[in-house]
Amino acid sequence: DVVMTQSPLSLPVTLGQPASISCRSSQSLVHSDGNTYLNWFQQRPGQSPRRLIYKVSIRDSGVPDRFSGSGSGTDFTLKISRVEAEDVGVYYCMQGTHWPWAFGQGTKVEFK
Amino acid sequence: QVQLQESGPGLVKPSETLSLTCAVSGYSISSGYYWGWIRQPPGKGLEWIGIIYHSGSTYYNPSLKSRVTISVDTSKNQFSLKLTSVTAADTAVYYCSSPDYWGQGTLVTVSS
Repeated sequence: DVVMTQSPLSLPVTLGQPASISCRSSQSLVHSDGNTYLNWFQQRPGQSPRRLIYKVSIRDSGVPDRFSGSGSGTDFTLKISRVEAEDVGVYYCMQGTHWPWAFGQGTKVEFK
Repeated sequence: QVQLQESGPGLVKPSETLSLTCAVSGYSISSGYYWGWIRQPPGKGLEWIGIIYHSGSTYYNPSLKSRVTISVDTSKNQFSLKLTSVTAADTAVYYCSSPDYWGQGTLVTVSS
């Protein structure tokens, strides 16, 4: 099975400052159809996860453009250009290339 | 807009079968996509249980495969999860999902 490893697991942030989360997979996430099925989810306290980004870098509808995704192969990054108060929560990467699909352990974003 | 809503017993006895249903509105299940179940033990991360495509093909997490069945009822536009022989380790919030949307989740506790 593919193992997804996120770092850091805890990310203290400052309002208005950038933040970055890394996600590594134990094998390439390039699918035989040429796509890379790497998603990012945000889970705010007490809420269900919400997908922010799919196929590495495509933002879902309604997701602020301060969120961006990048990467290829086995190394991926989620960046928040300027952290806002509503961004507090746990962020998960998820691979949808190899079954069983798998999430990273989660990165808890909280204010310093 | 597509909405998903889980329903089912919140308490299941050990060794019995957990049964949940996900009602889908705003989209016809038979039209496409996949429909899946994910779970999250209290205070922990996310785990894929399985998915079913609109074609009827199913994929189950090998860690649960012998105990899981996912099925679709197109007449009611809903899909279901059955997990047999449950133990306390199956206590979790269970989410149903499509590629773009998740339900609110339902907590299922396994206890006598």
